[in-house]
Amino acid sequence: AQTVTQSQPEMSVQEAETVTLSCTYDTSESNYYLFWYKQPPSRQMILVIRQEAYKQQNATENRFSVNFQKAAKSFSLKISDSQLGDTAMYFCAFGQDAGNMLTFGGGTRLMVKP
Amino acid sequence: DSGVTQTPKHLITATGQRVTLRCSPRSGDLSVYWYQQSLDQGLQFLIQYYNGEERAKGNILERFSAQQFPDLHSELNLSSLELGDSALYFCASSVDGGVKDTGELFFGEGSRLTVL
Repeated sequence: AQTVTQSQPEMSVQEAETVTLSCTYDTSESNYYLFWYKQPPSRQMILVIRQEAYKQQNATENRFSVNFQKAAKSFSLKISDSQLGDTAMYFCAFGQDAGNMLTFGGGTRLMVKP
Repeated sequence: DSGVTQTPKHLITATGQRVTLRCSPRSGDLSVYWYQQSLDQGLQFLIQYYNGEERAKGNILERFSAQQFPDLHSELNLSSLELGDSALYFCASSVDGGVKDTGELFFGEGSRLTVL
């Protein structure tokens, strides 16, 4: 079974600065999907960014980018120019195949301070 | 708006009771997933249905059951409720195959269950 580990339960960052959230996972498969979801105080789960394991190029979505290290089984999320609205729980997730369930990490609570 | 609809949004009940949570997936999605999120915890996978059939099962208690109906909506039944069952229950759906499938799950807003 796949496992996903987020080693930082809580983090804080000053507004406009950059923060990196860590995620490691364990799998014996060579192709899979990785995701970062955001859960703001509203509790809605919102997709931030996704990465397919066969793609070497790191995914980027506006201020959000990932550092995908396949050999190290690491998938970190970098948030640039942090905004107050980025305050949320962030979950890393692993998906074996499209159409299958996702395994989630325990989450990192991010606080952006003014 | 993800297109996934869950009802009720909030539910308060007593120990020993039974409740039913309902989920309507996005139009065209065949798979429905149920997850449980206890207070400030990660999401625990309960069960997945695909086009009416159970596809995968996670750590779902025997007191819990689910089904997916011909119109693809799903229900999660929780019985003999205990205090520890208090949680946020999420439903998600996915495209399932084809070029449009990115592996992403689309989540509803969740049903918050409080057992007193």
